[in-house]
Amino acid sequence: EVQLVESGGGLVQPGGSLKLSCAASGFTFSSYSMNWVRQAPGKGLEWLSYITTTSNTIYYADSVKGRFTISRDNAKDSLYLQMNNLRADDTAVYYCSRDGTVFGDVWGKGTTVTVSS
Amino acid sequence: QSVLTQPPSASATPGQTVIISCSGSSSNIGSNYVYWFQHVPGVAPKLLMYKNSQRPSGVPDRFSGSKSGTSASLAISGLRSEDEADYYCAAWDDRVSGRLFGGGTKLTVL
Repeated sequence: EVQLVESGGGLVQPGGSLKLSCAASGFTFSSYSMNWVRQAPGKGLEWLSYITTTSNTIYYADSVKGRFTISRDNAKDSLYLQMNNLRADDTAVYYCSRDGTVFGDVWGKGTTVTVSS
Repeated sequence: QSVLTQPPSASATPGQTVIISCSGSSSNIGSNYVYWFQHVPGVAPKLLMYKNSQRPSGVPDRFSGSKSGTSASLAISGLRSEDEADYYCAAWDDRVSGRLFGGGTKLTVL
């Protein structure tokens, strides 16, 4: 079964850091680009970042540029999102999604990040 | 405020057809594929339409997509109660080098 499973969410204080992981299974992870997307409470979906198969091309949304870092380990079939200098408005459910010839054909169930003191 | 503009809400009765619009610009919809997603809060988003009008396997043909210029639309015919969800359009934007989502349309089946 093709699957993405996010982990690493939790409660963190403003200014703190958190690293999210996304474990892939059921497909050849190294053949697909990947994305991180989030949904804040009461808000819509927001694209955050994109990484190609070999990590040679990476893009970020302006809202997270300079604070978040996307990375991947193809040997471990895993995608990561290092989040630094977290703010209250980063509180959201964070999803990873697959991006090959088709964007978003596979999504994880999400992991919740709460930024609060 | 999203660069891709969708109506915040839509409603219709079972069996009817509803059309959800998505308006963008030359740097996104005008020059790139449009995707549509169905999202029920608490559940993973589901791809409904890719490359403007292509349905993934398993998506009923009640769902159809189209694109013209800098706008796109998703039509849902034969509306069913289980179609009640949030619907999002998405497209790559060449100007910002990033993926954009519309603000989402909450569909209510009356």
